[in-house]
Amino acid sequence: SSVLTQPPSVSVAPGETARITCAGDTIGTQGVQWYQQRPGQAPVLVIYYFFDRPSGIPERFSSFRSGNTATLIISGVEAGDEAVYYCQVWDGRTVLFGGGTMMTVL
Amino acid sequence: QVQLQESGPGLVKPSETLSLTCTVSGASVSTYYWTWIRQPPGKGLEWIGNVYHGVTTNYNSSLESRVTISLDTSKNQFSLKLTSMTAADTAVYYCARDGGVYSGIDYWGQGTLVTVTS
Repeated sequence: SSVLTQPPSVSVAPGETARITCAGDTIGTQGVQWYQQRPGQAPVLVIYYFFDRPSGIPERFSSFRSGNTATLIISGVEAGDEAVYYCQVWDGRTVLFGGGTMMTVL
Repeated sequence: QVQLQESGPGLVKPSETLSLTCTVSGASVSTYYWTWIRQPPGKGLEWIGNVYHGVTTNYNSSLESRVTISLDTSKNQFSLKLTSMTAADTAVYYCARDGGVYSGIDYWGQGTLVTVTS
């Protein structure tokens, strides 16, 4: 079955730019979503269909795709952005999540 | 505003069946993909399955033999049944609304912790 591969962790200083990758065979053909999950909370959708942001999500959150890798970009990182980030795709008729990336704000 | 609320037991004995219900307000369960996702303590998200158009279901192949997801449109609810529970099924269970390939999972319940213990 398909797999989405994310780095386990990234660290970034406040005000810098964070980049979190998600690699998988299905990314080239399906829309990619990104979710933010803070401790003890349900995940929140921050990017859908590769590049779009739901209302209420700051413009600091963006994404791009190159081949079979999608990248979540968080510009001007703030302390409140510290969370686990998951990528997600549809794989045929089912849904697949990446393993998650813990982003630490130094 | 769309809201989802899980309900069900917090403790389940090994080999028993877990039954959870998700009550939806602000949207009709007759449209969209209504989804169950779980998260073992300290681990990542695992998609369990969904139901849409009232009757069509899709399940994670690793759980398919034990899972049933169904809708009750009269109560605007959907439900999860997971049989033969083991300690490995201990997790926070989320219900959620999925808009599909182009939309993402846009509304989530708060999650409910289910612990399998004798």
